[in-house]
Amino acid sequence: GAVVSQHPSRVICKSGTSVKIECRSLDFQATTMFWYRQFPKQSLMLMATSNEGSKATYEQGVEKDKFLINHASLTLSTLTVTSAHPEDSSFYICSALTGALFEKLFFGSGTQLSVL
Amino acid sequence: AQTVTQSQPEMSVQEAETVTLSCTYDTSESDYYLFWYKQPPSRQMILVIRQEAYKQQNATENRFSVNFQKAAKSFSLKISDSQLGDAAMYFCAYSNSGGSNYKLTFGKGTLLTVNP
Repeated sequence: GAVVSQHPSRVICKSGTSVKIECRSLDFQATTMFWYRQFPKQSLMLMATSNEGSKATYEQGVEKDKFLINHASLTLSTLTVTSAHPEDSSFYICSALTGALFEKLFFGSGTQLSVL
Repeated sequence: AQTVTQSQPEMSVQEAETVTLSCTYDTSESDYYLFWYKQPPSRQMILVIRQEAYKQQNATENRFSVNFQKAAKSFSLKISDSQLGDAAMYFCAYSNSGGSNYKLTFGKGTLLTVNP
């Protein structure tokens, strides 16, 4: 079946630094990718939707200058957390959609970000 | 805005028995999708079952079935013959249908424990 690879699975960084998370669709072209954030024991909250070659659409309350999303190709989207702070520590999950059917929506395995 | 409510933060079931997880949602749309996702300790999101709102027949996937009550905006998940591997966090999710909007709105989740 289709696989979405997310890297790294875990990252620890110092406050003030930037961290890049990659989301790759390994065997299909992803027309749309989604980025979610999940705090411990809480639900997934959609941060932004990205379509290949265009600017990401951010959900209300998500700082687009802090969470930079790039969807440069049909198989890769990146989320960069800029000037990370401890409150940005969270579990980040991407999902990728190919075509226009929910049968073709797949999730990555997530990235645990810890900001010291 | 659509909302999804899961009123049971935790549930437990004996192995081989049946358990039902509750979910209600709020929407003004007439056509939409509903989902149950499973998130085991690995934190990988796994689709359990999907229901299209225009279909009156309840979706089933092996031991998993739903009770979809459109008028009541209720979408419960029944797990029959529970297995130890079913232990996980279960999220109910909603999405509008049509166009290019495939964003998922998740409930807060129900942590299912399966006792041997």
